[in-house]
Amino acid sequence: AQSVAQPEDQVNVAEGNPLTVKCTYSVSGNPYLFWYVQYPNRGLQFLLKYITGDNLVKGSYGFEAEFNKSQTSFHLKKPSALVSDSALYFCAVRDSRFGNFNKFYFGSGTKLNVKP
Amino acid sequence: ETGVTQSPTHLIKTRGQQVTLRCSSQSGHNTVSWYQQALGQGPQFIFQYYREEENGRGNFPPRFSGLQFPNYSSELNVNALELDDSALYLCASSSDKQGNYGYTFGSGTRLTVV
Repeated sequence: AQSVAQPEDQVNVAEGNPLTVKCTYSVSGNPYLFWYVQYPNRGLQFLLKYITGDNLVKGSYGFEAEFNKSQTSFHLKKPSALVSDSALYFCAVRDSRFGNFNKFYFGSGTKLNVKP
Repeated sequence: ETGVTQSPTHLIKTRGQQVTLRCSSQSGHNTVSWYQQALGQGPQFIFQYYREEENGRGNFPPRFSGLQFPNYSSELNVNALELDDSALYLCASSSDKQGNYGYTFGSGTRLTVV
């Protein structure tokens, strides 16, 4: 079964410090992994994805994520947090089995609070 | 600024009623997916439409149905509403049915069933 776990409901970090939002996954085939961000009363915005290639993926707004196959993790990172990064972050895995390319499984979300 | 628009933004319905939610996909996108996001949870896949045909379905009962039109806009219909149907309903469009380039999400319709 395909699934995503985000073990932290909330992450608090001071502005200017590095941040990490954790994600682990379980898939039957090759993992297609994504990160989305959701601001209040808004839809989800695409940040970055891993399908194949380099394990370190760079995305929007200075975010990056590291794919670790042995640990089945895809943690989101940013070297220096901004107050405007405060939002709800979702990790997602796409079902890569034949005929199911379209289905995304989302984690329960991690609320990131960046304090000035 | 998102290219996917959903209407209405908020809706209150009574248990047992029927509701139709609408979604206009981003220009150039031929695939639309619908997700249900209950409070405090991640989005759950309802179904996807590709070029007017259903292309996959999640674990939702048949009273959740949809349509996609020739201009790739879409509707989500829910019959016999239940209290647990209260959620944010998100529409997402993509330029390919595999979602290789990610999805563009709308801001959602907040449905409250009383």
